Amino acid sequence: DVKVTQSSRYLVKRTGEKVFLECVQDMDHENMFWYRQDPGLGLRLIYFSYDVKMKEKGDIPEGYSVSREKKERFSLILESASTNQTSMYLCASSLGGTGQETQYFGPGTRLLVL
Amino acid sequence: EDQVTQSPEALRLQEGESSSLNCSYTVSGLRGLFWYRQDPGKGPEFLFTLYSAGEEKEKERLKATLTKKESFLHITAPKPEDSATYLCAVPSYNTDKLIFGTGTRLQVFP
Repeated sequence: DVKVTQSSRYLVKRTGEKVFLECVQDMDHENMFWYRQDPGLGLRLIYFSYDVKMKEKGDIPEGYSVSREKKERFSLILESASTNQTSMYLCASSLGGTGQETQYFGPGTRLLVL
Repeated sequence: EDQVTQSPEALRLQEGESSSLNCSYTVSGLRGLFWYRQDPGKGPEFLFTLYSAGEEKEKERLKATLTKKESFLHITAPKPEDSATYLCAVPSYNTDKLIFGTGTRLQVFP
């Protein structure tokens, strides 16, 4: 079974703090994704990565950055957290390539920015 | 523009009352349609992938079907433990990005 883990289930941070969210997958997947999920807005893609050290902007990258130094690990960084970044953050991975788009999700990190 | 629309937004069923959830899509060149289940406070859990019109897949009380314009998730004799939000998604035309619908929140009452 594919396993995607996220470093924290719940986080509480102050406005202006730097926040790191870590995601690890154990299935040697090429692709990794970061989403945020908000009521009424569904899943929105923040950033994704097709390979180590590669990153692509998703639909809402503003205020976020990412890092992928190893194939199995994809980090989301909030350089200076703001209250409008309070949300549920979901990491996903997929094998990659045509017909291999099934994404497997981690348990999520619920972030509260005060 | 690639788009996924799910209906209804919410559905309340009595235990044993069968029903269907709809996922309609517009995408250039369908490369699959995915169904996920999401429990409150958790990440989406993969259920099914459908690749071509006419394809069907089943898992316990769930059956997913696909036409050229939409997919249905049929729930037969649901139980309270089937209560969850059900999401569908399709890959965008030329990337591995998934386009998600906003989901159907299903509540099954005993």
